Amino acid sequence: DAGVIQSPRHEVTEMGQEVTLRCKPISGHNSLFWYRQTMMRGLELLIYFNNNVPIDDSGMPEDRFSAKMPNASFSTLKIQPSEPRDSAVYFCASSLEGRRFQPQHFGDGTRLSIL
Amino acid sequence: AQTVTQSQPEMSVQEAETVTLSCTYDTSESDYYLFWYKQPPSRQMILVIRQEAYKQQNATENRFSVNFQKAAKSFSLKISDSQLGDAAMYFCAQNTGNQFYFGTGTSLTVIP
Repeated sequence: DAGVIQSPRHEVTEMGQEVTLRCKPISGHNSLFWYRQTMMRGLELLIYFNNNVPIDDSGMPEDRFSAKMPNASFSTLKIQPSEPRDSAVYFCASSLEGRRFQPQHFGDGTRLSIL
Repeated sequence: AQTVTQSQPEMSVQEAETVTLSCTYDTSESDYYLFWYKQPPSRQMILVIRQEAYKQQNATENRFSVNFQKAAKSFSLKISDSQLGDAAMYFCAQNTGNQFYFGTGTSLTVIP
């Protein structure tokens, strides 16, 4: 059973460039979460989707960040334009809502470095 | 507001010894779950153990066990017979509905 798959695993790009992070949730899971992890702020929830619909995007830092989930098996997190302070590890996680309090299953994360 | 607090940024334990990581949380909900996740240097987030708030019995998974004190809103993780592979960052998390709240983590070092 494949877990949550994120790509790329590492991304290094220059300030001002567009960055797209990708996530494939576990098959059958209907909730998807994007997190950002930094030393200073720990693990922050950016946005979560339920049945492909964004439910809570209050954690999205600013308009430069956007997330989409066009279907149940794919989601993207886009940063445009990117800034050095966006450097972090970005995690995608999925869970099965509807079954009582199921844990989140995390991908391996994307380490993003903005120069 | 929901909060999860891990007051120990760093802990260390001698191999084969026992260590306890602390976690407190704040919620007005009566029905929720609590989790401990482990994040080794590979940065993968691995579920270690979970506890249902309505169950009084403390959860146990092999060498990992919790001390759940609902009235005190405390959820500590005990690791027995510590192994080198236990070295990692440990996150406490609380789940209400589909909202997850994570603590800031405790970095555990295992000394050979």
